[in-house]
Amino acid sequence: DTGVSQDPRHKITKRGQNVTFRCDPISEHNRLYWYRQTLGQGPEFLTYFQNEAQLEKSRLLSDRFSAERPKGSFSTLEIQRTEQGDSAMYLCASSLGRSGKPDEKLFFGSGTQLSVL
Amino acid sequence: GENVEQHPSTLSVQEGDSAVIKCTYSDSASNYFPWYKQELGKRPQLIIDIRSNVGEKKDQRIAVTLNKTAKHFSLHITETQPEDSAVYFCAASGWPGNQFYFGTGTSLTVIP
Repeated sequence: DTGVSQDPRHKITKRGQNVTFRCDPISEHNRLYWYRQTLGQGPEFLTYFQNEAQLEKSRLLSDRFSAERPKGSFSTLEIQRTEQGDSAMYLCASSLGRSGKPDEKLFFGSGTQLSVL
Repeated sequence: GENVEQHPSTLSVQEGDSAVIKCTYSDSASNYFPWYKQELGKRPQLIIDIRSNVGEKKDQRIAVTLNKTAKHFSLHITETQPEDSAVYFCAASGWPGNQFYFGTGTSLTVIP
């Protein structure tokens, strides 16, 4: 599969535990995004990377959330001390992100469904 | 930041009829407007997009129109089929951040 892949597909955790999700973008894509989606809502932006640089982070994002993309390829999203309100689908997306090209097509992964008990 | 509003939240049409979903945006710097289809339990899939230098784009039964002056864009699906049933999201994006802002979605049901 040459699309965006995410692991795991589902994660059930207890409140207070830390969780980490992984995203592998399409191989030639420079830009990687993390979104959160709850039932009946559109994807909500969390953060995005251009190669290994984290360029923007949502102001809504708690300090308990951190994301990395150390080599400009795969990315991880960690949530520390999870709360029940963190329960959601976490979507990763990638785009080519060519310099000077603002409107790149965004391709999504299948997401990681997080349930915090 | 950008604010994208989408209407209606739910839409039911008879098979063969047309469906129209409308979105408005707030940031005049937005210049790229994609539409995504999300079936239950699956990832959002890009179905059509339009850039700010174009007023309309068609792809078979799907079309998108853009009115930059009024800051609104619409998705039109003609000759709807049951497999068109899904949630549709609009989005807006603009340079330099290339941030994508999504609408809240429209759940479309096509009744056979």
